[in-house]
Amino acid sequence: EAQVTQNPRYLITVTGKKLTVTCSQNMNHEYMSWYRQDPGLGLRQIYYSMNVEVTDKGDVPEGYKVSRKEKRNFPLILESPSPNQTSLYFCASRQGINYGYTFGSGTRLTVV
Amino acid sequence: GESVGLHLPTLSVQEGDNSIINCAYSNSASDYFIWYKQESGKGPQFIIDIRSNMDKRQGQRVTVLLNKTVKHLSLQIAATQPGDSAVYFCAGDSFSGGYNKLIFGAGTRLAVHP
Repeated sequence: EAQVTQNPRYLITVTGKKLTVTCSQNMNHEYMSWYRQDPGLGLRQIYYSMNVEVTDKGDVPEGYKVSRKEKRNFPLILESPSPNQTSLYFCASRQGINYGYTFGSGTRLTVV
Repeated sequence: GESVGLHLPTLSVQEGDNSIINCAYSNSASDYFIWYKQESGKGPQFIIDIRSNMDKRQGQRVTVLLNKTVKHLSLQIAATQPGDSAVYFCAGDSFSGGYNKLIFGAGTRLAVHP
């Protein structure tokens, strides 16, 4: 089944403790992206990648890092999480521009 | 700046009625639009898309209309069912800041009443 898989689904952590949210897609898509979703603010792009080793900042990149060493994987790294990064995170991939994103099921992160 | 927005945050309809969800966009260079459905606890799910060389596209019980003159698109759902209850997002693809990005609207919650 074509899908985007992200883990974990739920995570509670403490301020400053580094964490990684993994994302993997099995559709051989070039483009991958991370979004965060907050009430009233919709989906905001954190980082995106157009291919292996090609990444760039989205609209809200502060406090996040990403890497794209392989086409299928696009992990999101929070080096020092803070409470304002409490949010619902989605990884997504698409075949190219002018195609829709396929989204993962989401990771609900709480930073205390 | 660029935006993709929705006219109403919540839409309530009776089961069996038709639903219309509206969306406005600001970038006239946007050439691709998508509607997503997001159910509680799930990721956004692709419903239907339309390219700027089209005015209308139909799917199963859904129709998307694009009016480039007034920069407006709408999603019509025929014979709305309880399973259609969700938040609906429109998104527009355009070249911005050096790359092609998909900009999402804030979402409209569709509530279907029996």
